[in-house]
Amino acid sequence: EVQLVESGGGLVQPGRSLRLSCAASGFKFDDYAMYWVRQAPGKGLEWVSGISWNSNYIAYADSVKGRFTISRDNAKNSLYLQMNSLRTEDTALYYCAKDQTWGSYRQVFDRWGQGTPVTVSS
Amino acid sequence: EIVLTQSPVTLSLSPGERVTLSCRASQSVTSSYLAWYQQKPGQSPRLLISGASNRATGIPDRFSASGSGTDFTLTISRLEPEDFAVYFCQQYGSSPITFGQGTRLETK
Repeated sequence: EVQLVESGGGLVQPGRSLRLSCAASGFKFDDYAMYWVRQAPGKGLEWVSGISWNSNYIAYADSVKGRFTISRDNAKNSLYLQMNSLRTEDTALYYCAKDQTWGSYRQVFDRWGQGTPVTVSS
Repeated sequence: EIVLTQSPVTLSLSPGERVTLSCRASQSVTSSYLAWYQQKPGQSPRLLISGASNRATGIPDRFSASGSGTDFTLTISRLEPEDFAVYFCQQYGSSPITFGQGTRLETK
């Protein structure tokens, strides 16, 4: 069974940093692109970042470019999101999501974790 | 950036009814690269449809979708109690990918 388990969220002051992790199991992690998608409280979904299976392709939303860094460790079946210079508008539930298609950066999310909450507040 | 507008925002219906949700794009969606997700309260989103009309694994056939260009629809032929949720469309044909704001299906 595919499982994605996020961790690392919490309460942080504006301008500080946080590192999110996503532990994957139940599928061949290094065959799939992975993504972070966030959802502010009571709001819709916002794509944050994506990384290809071999880390050769990485993309960010304009709202986080230059502040967030996505990475993965295929040996550890793990995805990460380093978040620096956090702003109040980054407050959201952060989901880790898996691409639907093997070997592709298709950006269709067929499995999602339960999310880890990030609150940026002084 | 392609803006997706979903309508209606909220819909009140009863189990057994048929419903059609709309997703309209501000520009043509490349190759019908449009997906639909369902999200229940307190849960993560669930993929229903990709490629505008292809049901994801395990999705019941009461869910169907169609459309091309700028106009897309998701139809639930006969609402089951578990279908009352929020539905999001997403385009993945142009960067950045974008989501609609969602349509909430609630019980009448």
